[in-house]
Amino acid sequence: AQSVTQLGSHVSVSEGALVLLRCNYSSSVPPYLFWYVQYPNQGLQLLLKYTSAATLVKGINGFEAEFKKSETSFHLTKPSAHMSDAAEYFCAVSPPDNDMRFGAGTRLTVKP
Amino acid sequence: DTGVSQNPRHKITKRGQNVTFRCDPISEHNRLYWYRQTLGQGPEFLTYFQNEAQLEKSRLLSDRFSAERPKGSFSTLEIQRTEQGDSAMYLCASSLTGLAPSTQYFGPGTRLLVL
Repeated sequence: AQSVTQLGSHVSVSEGALVLLRCNYSSSVPPYLFWYVQYPNQGLQLLLKYTSAATLVKGINGFEAEFKKSETSFHLTKPSAHMSDAAEYFCAVSPPDNDMRFGAGTRLTVKP
Repeated sequence: DTGVSQNPRHKITKRGQNVTFRCDPISEHNRLYWYRQTLGQGPEFLTYFQNEAQLEKSRLLSDRFSAERPKGSFSTLEIQRTEQGDSAMYLCASSLTGLAPSTQYFGPGTRLLVL
């Protein structure tokens, strides 16, 4: 069975500071990994996805994530936080071409 | 832009009533997924369709829940005899097979409140 664990249900950073949201996965097969963002009262929007083509994945809004097999991690980073980045972030894992399993989410707060 | 749409966006009902939600996927997408999301949690998989065939159902999908996708286009999710524990956001997503990994595109969700 595949699963993800997001470390830290809440992360608070100052505007302009580094954003680091942690995600560890468990998978018996090479996984596909995703990060989604959810703004209040909205659906989920794809930030980026890992497809095994490259370990460093760049996404929208300046976010990127690095796949580290040895650490079973897929942490999300952004060099400089903006106020507009405040949202809920979800890491998800999927076997090839199948349903996804989501983490519990990390709420990012950005302080002025 | 014709993304995934869901109707209604909000539904308030009394315990014991039946409710039905509709999802219209992106037109060329052959897969359609239903998820449930409770406050402070990530989406939990309920079921998915490939075309009109329902291929997988979660244990979360009790016998009070039924989903259909009769013509392989839109889908409905019905909850019979609603309970307060059914209060949640119900999310629909669609994807196109053949492009691994299939990216799922989500609708805005239907928020259900059972009184």
